[in-house]
Amino acid sequence: TQLLEQSPQFLSIQEGENLTVYCNSSSVFSSLQWYRQEPGEGPVLLVTVVTGGEVKKLKRLTFQFGDARKDSSLHITAAQPGDTGLYLCAGATDSWGKFQFGAGTQVVVTP
Amino acid sequence: DAGVTQSPTHLIKTRGQQVTLRCSPKSGHDTVSWYQQALGQGPQFIFQYYEEEERQRGNFPDRFSGHQFPNYSSELNVNALLLGDSALYLCASSLDPGSRKETQYFGPGTRLLVL
Repeated sequence: TQLLEQSPQFLSIQEGENLTVYCNSSSVFSSLQWYRQEPGEGPVLLVTVVTGGEVKKLKRLTFQFGDARKDSSLHITAAQPGDTGLYLCAGATDSWGKFQFGAGTQVVVTP
Repeated sequence: DAGVTQSPTHLIKTRGQQVTLRCSPKSGHDTVSWYQQALGQGPQFIFQYYEEEERQRGNFPDRFSGHQFPNYSSELNVNALLLGDSALYLCASSLDPGSRKETQYFGPGTRLLVL
């Protein structure tokens, strides 16, 4: 059972379109991370958010942490084929780094 | 600067056997966490080692055990393998576990197939 619910499960878009993926929970997190994972590899950290309401931008990626620190979103502007991958969110409920992961959103960007 | 490394990359075992997976953390990191990722799922937390002790544990049976060595490397042992143990096993290392700005770095994983 995943503590974090991610939606949608799968997203297929054309290059140049925008997309948003969501990560929701009933639990409050001390920090939340977003990862991208490609087949046969481990997840690669994209961003860590720790403050409620925080917004972080990483080039075309915008991450938002909910005010109550229970949810987050990832928005990609002008998606490119290189953005293809499994996007995972992971939340820590304590300061010792025990992270709970969502099931992920598979994003496919076609040229 | 070497990142997190894991060995072996792939492994095939039969039911009832035992397996040991290995992880070397990123240089300077002292905390190692292990995760199990079944096909189509997100990683599930198994346990975390810090200062050679298991500090946190997820919802996994006692068949799953681990160890951390003085050089911070770690092993994951699984006894009495079941078909359902087939998965990608990921190791993640981190620094400063008491900080809210926790940053984990994952290794490439070990893909275990139990027949």
